[in-house]
Amino acid sequence: EAGVAQSPRYKIIEKRQSVAFWCNPISGHATLYWYQQILGQGPKLLIQFQNNGVVDDSQLPKDRFSAERLKGVDSTLKIQPAKLEDSAVYLCASSLGRGSPSGNTIYFGEGSWLTVV
Amino acid sequence: AQSVTQLDSHVSVSEGTPVLLRCNYSSSYSPSLFWYVQHPNKGLQLLLKYTSAATLVKGINGFEAEFKKSETSFHLTKPSAHMSDAAEYFCVVSGGDTGFQKLVFGTGTRLLVSP
Repeated sequence: EAGVAQSPRYKIIEKRQSVAFWCNPISGHATLYWYQQILGQGPKLLIQFQNNGVVDDSQLPKDRFSAERLKGVDSTLKIQPAKLEDSAVYLCASSLGRGSPSGNTIYFGEGSWLTVV
Repeated sequence: AQSVTQLDSHVSVSEGTPVLLRCNYSSSYSPSLFWYVQHPNKGLQLLLKYTSAATLVKGINGFEAEFKKSETSFHLTKPSAHMSDAAEYFCVVSGGDTGFQKLVFGTGTRLLVSP
C-alpha cells in the first residue's frame, strides 16, 4: 500500500516570498490533515479536511496560509508571504475517516521541510 | 478539551536496559491514545494505539503501553533498548464530540541510547 506522498521534501525561500506544498493521501482516505512542526515541538494541526470540506482550520493563520483539497483527493498548502517563524516541517496525514473501524489510525507523510531566510 | 503531558523531555538509557516513556492524558471523552516515533529527518510512524479494547497494547519493535484510566496514564515501555530506538517519541490523544477525529500531540520525549 502506498503511503502519504508529499512534495517538495525541502524548500528554502526568502521572507515575503511564497511557497506551496502538495500532498497525495492514501487512496480512499476521506480525512486529510496538515500539521506544522516547529523544531523541538510536537506537531500542531493547521487544517483538517473531510473529503473536500474543511472540518477544522481554527489554528490556520488565514492572513498568510491557505489550503485546498479540490475533488477530495490531493491537497495543497500555500504560504504567502512567508515569515521567518514559518520555518518548520509541514506534515500531511490521512485517515479513512469517520465511521470506519480502523479510522483511528492516521498515517503521516515524511514532511516538507521549509526554511525561511 | 483534550491534552497530553509527556513528563520527560529527554530519557537516556544504555543499550539492553529497559525503556520507560511517561505520558498522562486529559480527555472529556473516552479517548483513543497513540504513540508515534519520529527518527531524524523522517516522518511520524505509528508504534501502537489504544482504542478501548485491551488495556495492554503491543506495538512494533517490541514496544508496549498500558492504558490506566484510574491514573490517566499511557506509559510506553520496552524491556531492552536497542541503538536503533534512539528517536523522538510522541504521545497523542484523539477523540471529541464532533464525530471527526482530531489528534492532540504531546511535546515529545527524546530517547537517547548509549552503547
